[in-house]
Amino acid sequence: EIVMTQSPATLSVSPGERATLSCRASQSVSRNLAWFQQRPGQAPRLLIYGASTRATGIADRFSGSGSGTEFTLSISSLQSEDFAVYYCQQYESWPRTFGQGTKVEIK
Amino acid sequence: EVQLVESGGGLVEPGGSLRVSCTASGFTFSHYYMNWVRQAPGKGLEWVSSISSTSSYIYYADSLKGRFTISRDNTKNLVFLQMNSLRAEDTAVYFCARGSTPLETGTIKENDYWGQGTLVTVSS
Repeated sequence: EIVMTQSPATLSVSPGERATLSCRASQSVSRNLAWFQQRPGQAPRLLIYGASTRATGIADRFSGSGSGTEFTLSISSLQSEDFAVYYCQQYESWPRTFGQGTKVEIK
Repeated sequence: EVQLVESGGGLVEPGGSLRVSCTASGFTFSHYYMNWVRQAPGKGLEWVSSISSTSSYIYYADSLKGRFTISRDNTKNLVFLQMNSLRAEDTAVYFCARGSTPLETGTIKENDYWGQGTLVTVSS
């Protein structure tokens, strides 16, 4: 099983600032890596797939990078609606695995 | 518009069984893998199971140890999760999500659409 590790667990950021979230895989997942946003009481929403491709309707302030075992999600200028929990997930192999999440909170 | 609607959640006693369903619309259901993902209260996301478009390939999380069974009915656009020998630690919101399809070109994506989830509570 591929273990996905996200850091930090919590990120405190002021509105308008940049946020950088990390995700590490215990073995290579190539570029088969997705990022999801989950707001309280809502279903997760796909933000990024293929490590760097924005999903339909996702604002261009969200960007993903990386390959192999190291990945990054960047949010260039945080808006109020971006304060949420973010998860990475690998779909290189079975079983599929998620990271434990990074909570982005208002500083 | 793609829609996924889960149903069938509820309160069940430890050791009991429950079947949750997901009704899909707005896309060609029979072309896609379908996935179940759960989230225990206050916890993160946990992948549960996936089924291929023709049910030829089925995968489960190791932690389920044969207690859960995924199935689908392509004539009715339904995917099911039969859960047996339920335990308190199975208490969670169960989401269905659309998986990948081999019929799309370009970069593979999974879980691009999610239902709102159905709550399963295992308690006496």
